[in-house]
Amino acid sequence: EVQLLESGGGLVQPGGSLRLSCAASGLTFSSYAMTWVRQAPGKGLEWVSTTTGNGGRTIYADSVKGRFTISRDNSNNTLSLQMYSLRAEDTAVYYCATESPDVSGYPYWGQGTLVAVSS
Amino acid sequence: DIQMTQSPSSLSASVGDRVTITCRASQIISSYLNWYQQKPGKAPKLLIYATFSLQSGVPSRFSGSGSGTDFTLTISSLQPEDFATYYCQQTDSIPITFGQGTRLEIK
Repeated sequence: EVQLLESGGGLVQPGGSLRLSCAASGLTFSSYAMTWVRQAPGKGLEWVSTTTGNGGRTIYADSVKGRFTISRDNSNNTLSLQMYSLRAEDTAVYYCATESPDVSGYPYWGQGTLVAVSS
Repeated sequence: DIQMTQSPSSLSASVGDRVTITCRASQIISSYLNWYQQKPGKAPKLLIYATFSLQSGVPSRFSGSGSGTDFTLTISSLQPEDFATYYCQQTDSIPITFGQGTRLEIK
């Protein structure tokens, strides 16, 4: 069974930094592209960033480009999202998610971790 | 960027009803159109991928169709557990984008 478990969320001041982690199990981690999706309170889903299985390619939404960095540690089955220069509009539940070789879209999601940016 | 527009934004229906939710893309996309169900406080759940394909474990009352710019999610006979918010998603091109959501409520 594939399990994804996010951690690292919390309250941070505007301009601050935070690092989210996603621990994966039940899959050959290095074979899967991994993604972060966020959801602001009461709002819809927003794709944030994706990295390929070997971490060699990373892509970002324009809203976070230059401020967020996605990375992965395939030896420890962990995905990370380093967030800098946080803004109030970054307040959201952040989910990690992954594709499947046979399924487009994201069949596997974590439970989410809340990031609140406020003074 | 490809904009995904869902209609309606909200919908009231009764158990047993047939319900259709529409998703329109701002440009022609391939078949990489997916549908998710989300309940309050929970992560989204993949229902349909690649326009038509039913994700493993999803009841057969859910179905997807469409092509080009217009896609639909149909629930053939609503069950109490289907009242939730539904999102479409295109994975045809970067940035990946979602529709704004359709909230399905009990009438």
